[in-house]
Amino acid sequence: KAGVTQTPRYLIKTRGQQVTLSCSPISGHRSVSWYQQTPGQGLQFLFEYFSETQRNKGNFPGRFSGRQFSNSRSEMNVSTLELGDSALYLCASSRTGALTGELFFGEGSRLTVL
Amino acid sequence: AQTVTQSQPEMSVQEAETVTLSCTYDTSESNYYLFWYKQPPSRQMILVIRQEAYKQQNATENRFSVNFQKAAKSFSLKISDSQLGDTAMYFCAFQTTGANSKLTFGKGITLSVRP
Repeated sequence: KAGVTQTPRYLIKTRGQQVTLSCSPISGHRSVSWYQQTPGQGLQFLFEYFSETQRNKGNFPGRFSGRQFSNSRSEMNVSTLELGDSALYLCASSRTGALTGELFFGEGSRLTVL
Repeated sequence: AQTVTQSQPEMSVQEAETVTLSCTYDTSESNYYLFWYKQPPSRQMILVIRQEAYKQQNATENRFSVNFQKAAKSFSLKISDSQLGDTAMYFCAFQTTGANSKLTFGKGITLSVRP
């Protein structure tokens, strides 16, 4: 069974640009959540999608957005990149969400903003 | 708002020995879930153990067990017979049971197992 796949694994952008990250969940998983991991702030919740609907959202500015497609694949977009957006972005999938099912994480997309 | 605190940034343990990782949390909720996740170097994060707050019995998964003290809002992870493969960053996490619940992580602790 294929795991959670995130693409791209590494990317470098400059301030002001935008970026789109992709996450393919495990087959049969309908919940996809996104996290930002930085050395200073640790892991912070961005948002969760379930059956194409955003079910929950963290405390991030509107520059961070996401969506989920009918095949449960999810994308997150960050517009007008800032230096502080440099981080490892993790995607996690589960059948129904963290409470009732184990979260399976991808390897992450490491974003560097110059 | 819920907070999760892992006060020790780093720990080291000799192979085959036992180590305990500390975690405290703050919430006004009575029903919630607690987790420990492991993130090995350059590898995916995986769930180590899960505890429901309404269960008094401490969760156990092979060499991993927790000491859940609800009144003290403490949730420590004990790793017995430490192995080199246990070297990783460990995150304590908390989630309420409400419709708008989200997983809140601590800042993590880096555990090194020495041969």
